[in-house]
Amino acid sequence: SQKIEQNSEALNIQEGKTATLTCNYTNYSPAYLQWYRQDPGRGPVFLLLIRENEKEKRKERLKVTFDTTLKQSLFHITASQPADSATYLCALSGYGNKLVFGAGTILRVKS
Amino acid sequence: NAGVTQTPKFRILKIGQSMTLQCTQDMNHNYMYWYRQDPGMGLKLIYYSVGAGITDKGEVPNGYNVSRSTTEDFPLRLELAAPSQTSVYFCASSYSSQGATEAFFGQGTRLTVV
Repeated sequence: SQKIEQNSEALNIQEGKTATLTCNYTNYSPAYLQWYRQDPGRGPVFLLLIRENEKEKRKERLKVTFDTTLKQSLFHITASQPADSATYLCALSGYGNKLVFGAGTILRVKS
Repeated sequence: NAGVTQTPKFRILKIGQSMTLQCTQDMNHNYMYWYRQDPGMGLKLIYYSVGAGITDKGEVPNGYNVSRSTTEDFPLRLELAAPSQTSVYFCASSYSSQGATEAFFGQGTRLTVV
């Protein structure tokens, strides 16, 4: 069955460093991969989308890579700030199909 | 900009009771979705709709029903509440099929069944 794995342990980093979050998947050939941010008690908020034929996507301090051979996506936040502390969700879909979400990774940025 | 609005925000139900979770969006999106999120788990798709009058089951539809009479509204009905339905429920919408475009989520409804 399809499986999406994100770091179950929280990632703690110092302010100003680069945070790198991992999303691995098995038994799946996604056409699209998305990253969302979720704050406590709130709904997920879209951050970035990357397609299967794209290796990398950037938006301000955010960067996403997508390696369909390794079946892995990396999500980077450069110059991290305490305000970046949240849970980050990875989600995959095929063409025209529904999004399948990972459980998320908690990021804590300490000043 | 209201986006996706869910009501209520919190609710406690007794086993066997029924209720409707309301969801409305003002972005004229054709696609709408209901998810549930349990602690430490990813969001699971309950039902989705690709337009008014069209609905289909997601991954975990048992115990739920939906209807889509208008583009704006997509209510989720629980007929006989069970403790296993204790969860946080999120409604979402998107401009086109999920995956190819971003999904907009509501604030969620925290439901406890006792």
